[in-house]
Amino acid sequence: SQTIHQWPATLVQPVGSPLSLECTVEGTSNPNLYWYRQAAGRGLQLLFYSVGIGQISSEVPQNLSASRPQDRQFILSSKKLLLSDSGFYLCAWSSGSGGPKETQYFGPGTRLLVL
Amino acid sequence: AQKITQTQPGMFVQEKEAVTLDCTYDTSDPSYGLFWYKQPSSGEMIFLIYQGSYDQQNATEGRYSLNFQKARKSANLVISASQLGDSAMYFCAMREGLTGANNLFFGTGTRLTVIP
Repeated sequence: SQTIHQWPATLVQPVGSPLSLECTVEGTSNPNLYWYRQAAGRGLQLLFYSVGIGQISSEVPQNLSASRPQDRQFILSSKKLLLSDSGFYLCAWSSGSGGPKETQYFGPGTRLLVL
Repeated sequence: AQKITQTQPGMFVQEKEAVTLDCTYDTSDPSYGLFWYKQPSSGEMIFLIYQGSYDQQNATEGRYSLNFQKARKSANLVISASQLGDSAMYFCAMREGLTGANNLFFGTGTRLTVIP
């Protein structure tokens, strides 16, 4: 069965510091991968998605970036965090089979607090 | 325009009763999928149920069913026999089209509280 991992679970960082959040998927190959952010009490906002190694699409302009160095690894980064980067970051995967039925499955998330 | 609208910020239901969580959507694509996710306080998004735009019957998964009214563009989630563990945020989401890594559009969610 497939599992998706995220770490760290919680992170407190000062403004201006760098960020690296990692997401890995097990039990599947060539998945589509996604990064979402959820502000407190809000819905999910798609930040990035990837259909393959090195292929990143950005949905929202921001000071964040994403990379996919390996098939099942997705990394969210920032060179300098802003206060507004605080939130709950969720990674998700889907099979990449296409079609509207393709379901996204989410990881446990990372709570980021920028002070 | 919002692609997914959830008009109920919060709902209460008595344990063992049924509850309906509303969701309306907006798309001009004839091919789309509708999803419901549950987010407990731990934060993880748990997939509950899926309804396709071409599905003839309403989807059901255990105590979850989807009241799909295509003409009204609504996809309400019905939870039967509510349990205390059902207390959580519930999100409706939509995926359009057939190509690529089509994104999920999420609503703002409904917080369900089950009362003992």
